[in-house]
Amino acid sequence: KAGVTQTPRYLIKTRGQQVTLSCSPISGHRSVSWYQQTPGQGLQFLFEYFSETQRNKGNFPGRFSGRQFSNSRSEMNVSTLELGDSALYLCASSTQPGDGQTQYFGPGTRLLVL
Amino acid sequence: GDSVTQMEGPVTLSEEAFLTINCTYTATGYPSLFWYVQYPGEGLQLLLKATKADDKGSNKGFEATYRKETTSFHLEKGSVQVSDSAVYFCALRALRGAQKLVFGQGTRLTINP
Repeated sequence: KAGVTQTPRYLIKTRGQQVTLSCSPISGHRSVSWYQQTPGQGLQFLFEYFSETQRNKGNFPGRFSGRQFSNSRSEMNVSTLELGDSALYLCASSTQPGDGQTQYFGPGTRLLVL
Repeated sequence: GDSVTQMEGPVTLSEEAFLTINCTYTATGYPSLFWYVQYPGEGLQLLLKATKADDKGSNKGFEATYRKETTSFHLEKGSVQVSDSAVYFCALRALRGAQKLVFGQGTRLTINP
């Protein structure tokens, strides 16, 4: 079974631009979460989606948004990019929300903002 | 709020040495606890987990016991290998029914042959 797929793997943007990152969960998984990883702040939770509904949101400004489609694929968008948005963005999927569910992470999209 | 504190890294050991990476947490209620590992250029892989007090998670020779009285979840391995070199993250999931994980800062482990 294929793992979590994230595209693109690498991205370079300039300040003020916007960017869209994509995540395809493992087949049959309907829950998707996003995390930002930076050397200074570590791993921080961005959002969680299940059945096209955002269930939880982390403490990020409104420039960060996301959505989930009916096929469980998810996208996140960052508008008006800032230098501090340079990070590795990780997506994780699980079959559904729940205490016993294991989250499987993708390889991430590395975003560099110049 | 919920938080996880890991021992500072980096940690460098010789092959076959005993490994301990300390992890303590602060959370309301009864969180689930996890150890994830990240190899260079890759995403996170779940190493082990424990969902209630006194549970012991184990995998690939690694072990960690959920200690509610000391709010700890220390990672141990009796004999490390070069292939164990990676960054290790302790994490908790506090919200029941949610997938949100709160991570520690990570500990970089290097094993020398």
